[in-house]
Amino acid sequence: ETGVTQTPRHLVMGMTNKKSLKCEQHLGHNAMYWYKQSAKKPLELMFVYNFKEQTENNSVPSRFSPECPNSSHLFLHLHTLQPEDSALYLCASSQERTVPNYGYTFGSGTRLTVV
Amino acid sequence: AQKVTQAQTEISVVEKEDVTLDCVYETRDTTYYLFWYKQPPSGELVFLIRRNSFDEQNEISGRYSWNFQKSTSSFNFTITASQVVDSAVYFCALSEARRAGGFKTIFGAGTRLFVKA
Repeated sequence: ETGVTQTPRHLVMGMTNKKSLKCEQHLGHNAMYWYKQSAKKPLELMFVYNFKEQTENNSVPSRFSPECPNSSHLFLHLHTLQPEDSALYLCASSQERTVPNYGYTFGSGTRLTVV
Repeated sequence: AQKVTQAQTEISVVEKEDVTLDCVYETRDTTYYLFWYKQPPSGELVFLIRRNSFDEQNEISGRYSWNFQKSTSSFNFTITASQVVDSAVYFCALSEARRAGGFKTIFGAGTRLFVKA
């Protein structure tokens, strides 16, 4: 079982809905990440949180709103999404301040479909 | 600029064949870290290996081997005697230190490997 847990695994939402994705890790990592993986596209880094502070926002549209209440939890709040936002959303964590000996630990992702 | 290129989008092999996945990177740093991850159909990326820029020793782990060559900025991954369970998307990644502290990692586009029985 992965050390990073993402819920829900699958989500279908209408364009006017509001939903949230949740990510949780108890690995003692201090950095957490949201990635978007669309079909036939590279992994796109969306947001980075380091010790609960957002350190990177890669020009993500405001309809995606991250929240990091503590180092163990990360949320991605979604509202008024578009069909092109359908993708696999992956959460990852790492020990950001030290050499990433074992890379990132990823969750299994949330498969989002916007209808 | 930091960049990772995996030129092979998809590779299809028959079981027991050897297969090499290519990864070429660009960086201006002298200290950096290279990774390979495997993404099975279940979705999560699984860490396979890390290589430091100052350690060009090749590594073998069972049927997996990695060839790191700084002269060509390549970090290729070979699976010997491939099996159906090796079917997955494989990502190469590069980490560099940030000036502000911590590390920044970028991923290649991934190579989808199909191993047919």
